[in-house]
Amino acid sequence: NAGVTQTPKFQVLKTGQSMTLQCAQDMNHNSMYWYRQDPGMGLRLIYYSASEGTTDKGEVPNGYNVSRLNKREFSLRLESAAPSQTSVYFCASRGTGGLPLHFGNGTRLTVT
Amino acid sequence: ILNVEQSPQSLHVQEGDSTNFTCSFPSSNFYALHWYRWETAKSPKALFVMTLNGDEKKKGRISATLNTKEGYSYLYIKGSQPEDSATYLCALPYGGSQGNLIFGKGTKLSVKP
Repeated sequence: NAGVTQTPKFQVLKTGQSMTLQCAQDMNHNSMYWYRQDPGMGLRLIYYSASEGTTDKGEVPNGYNVSRLNKREFSLRLESAAPSQTSVYFCASRGTGGLPLHFGNGTRLTVT
Repeated sequence: ILNVEQSPQSLHVQEGDSTNFTCSFPSSNFYALHWYRWETAKSPKALFVMTLNGDEKKKGRISATLNTKEGYSYLYIKGSQPEDSATYLCALPYGGSQGNLIFGKGTKLSVKP
């Protein structure tokens, strides 16, 4: 019953540092997503993966890269963190047939 | 890209009040509408997925209606309780029912005991 698991829960980076946010789901979902949530902006899609082996840019992809390692795992990498990337990041997955998203618990990232 | 608008932005009610808020969207190329409930420090959880004009869904004291012809959905909460305090998000898929979800900015509900 784990659902979508994200790590870490919190992270503080200095400008220019890199890090990878990890996400795994155990629901056998094809589609996986990375969103960021900023005050007054709502949830915005960074990257998504419609199936294993494919990834595509969302609304705000600049400064990020992703890897769909296998069907379960979808990671988000910040190569050179910037203060503008301070945000709460959510991973989500979704089955086929127009089903709703299942979200992880979020990663609160601060870049100083 | 879809323009998904939610109103009001925030709402403060007393325990026991009934309340409702709106999600507005373009009526053309409609595939589905999702409602999510997002409690502070937790992750968003799906409430309803609605697809048909005139649809009405209910879960306990929370219900939702859908009007695809005029491009709106209402979420109703009957007899609000403090545990209903959360941000309520609506989202619509873009380009098909399995398309990426475009989210509104949410309505933040605070229920005072």
